[in-house]
Amino acid sequence: QKEVEQDPGPLSVPEGAIVSLNCTYSNSAFQYFMWYRQYSRKGPELLMYTYSSGNKEDGRFTAQVDKSSKYISLFIRDSQPSDSATYLCAMYNSGYSTLTFGKGTMLLVSP
Amino acid sequence: DGGITQSPKYLFRKEGQNVTLSCEQNLNHDAMYWYRQDPGQGLRLIYYSQIVNDFQKGDIAEGYSVSREKKESFPLTVTSAQKNPTAFYLCASTIGQGNEKLFFGSGTQLSVL
Repeated sequence: QKEVEQDPGPLSVPEGAIVSLNCTYSNSAFQYFMWYRQYSRKGPELLMYTYSSGNKEDGRFTAQVDKSSKYISLFIRDSQPSDSATYLCAMYNSGYSTLTFGKGTMLLVSP
Repeated sequence: DGGITQSPKYLFRKEGQNVTLSCEQNLNHDAMYWYRQDPGQGLRLIYYSQIVNDFQKGDIAEGYSVSREKKESFPLTVTSAQKNPTAFYLCASTIGQGNEKLFFGSGTQLSVL
């Protein structure tokens, strides 16, 4: 079983839709969880950073962590064509010094 | 403006040739990383350095080499021993000390002629 699983997509939605992106993981020691957005042929940029279980909201974005199920989500409300990108989840345990990434989900938002 | 600069944006390598990818940061970050990204493969860690003059192998270090002579710079050399070098290479940095909010450069696309 891979450490982090993420559906590669593509996920196609119409403008204005609510988008749900998800990752599952196997290592229960992970404590810190991140979502990165990557536009084509660009470097990833950090969108959301959460510690342990719970929700965190930032504008149209909400990150959710369920450590009991080893499942994290990123919700995008009122999706826009500019949200079209690949979304990477990442996580780590404070005992390690490197992140473990999912393979990314490609999102396409059509006008 | 603070950030990470990677150069060149595109690079071509001939058979048997070593090439070096540049990564410079002015964020005063201690830790720097090199990742390789292939379509459908996600990000794979090549090397990382948490302090000047020290670095560790990542998951796919074979065929690559690095140096960390200055805090600001972490160049990656793709040697002739790397038989499949075509990929998108990303440099990243963090403050370090357990803070793993990675900041990425804009990447270098390496292709084989």
